[in-house]
Amino acid sequence: NAGVTQTPKFQVLKTGQSMTLQCAQDMNHEYMSWYRQDPGMGLRLIHYSVGAGITDQGEVPNGYNVSRSTTEDFPLRLLSAAPSQTSVYFCASSSAVSSGGYTFGSGTRLTVV
Amino acid sequence: QQQVKQSPQSLIVQKGGIPIINCAYENTAFDYFPWYQQFPGKGPALLIAIRPDVSEKKEGRFTISFNKSAKQFSLHIMDSQPGDSATYFCAGAPGEKLTFGTGTRLTIIP
Repeated sequence: NAGVTQTPKFQVLKTGQSMTLQCAQDMNHEYMSWYRQDPGMGLRLIHYSVGAGITDQGEVPNGYNVSRSTTEDFPLRLLSAAPSQTSVYFCASSSAVSSGGYTFGSGTRLTVV
Repeated sequence: QQQVKQSPQSLIVQKGGIPIINCAYENTAFDYFPWYQQFPGKGPALLIAIRPDVSEKKEGRFTISFNKSAKQFSLHIMDSQPGDSATYFCAGAPGEKLTFGTGTRLTIIP
């Protein structure tokens, strides 16, 4: 099915561990973003990309790295997991945000213990 | 900082009523204002969007009202149904950076 695919769906990490959340889209979208969703705080932008090789920071980038080597993939790396990074992470893509909005994946629920 | 303020945090409405969710923004560079609907366990999905050059947009039972001078916009759901029970997010964007409100959990009771 066309869309945004996120893996894994669930993950438990120990404090200090690192991991990569995968995101892939097959719609040839230029724009991709990572958001985290926490109760009462809505969706907050972590990092975004306007095309392969181009990334920039969002509102809450600390503790996360991204790269965009292809149009399709936009992985999010947690460098040293902390309990404050317990959240639901959403990847999203768009061909033109200000005319079509973002298409979101189904999310990765991450727990850091 | 909270660039998009959304209220109420939760809302309970009887079937057939008209829930109204309000948002206010600060950044005058915002030129696109979408609303997203999210069901439990799913990612948000685009519901309806408006640009600041129009004051109202309707799509089916969903209407956005926009007041540029007050920097406010709202979502109205006509003839609400139990299937509309979800969390709703407003957002604003200058270009590709979408900033979301904190969300409204809407419950429609039969």
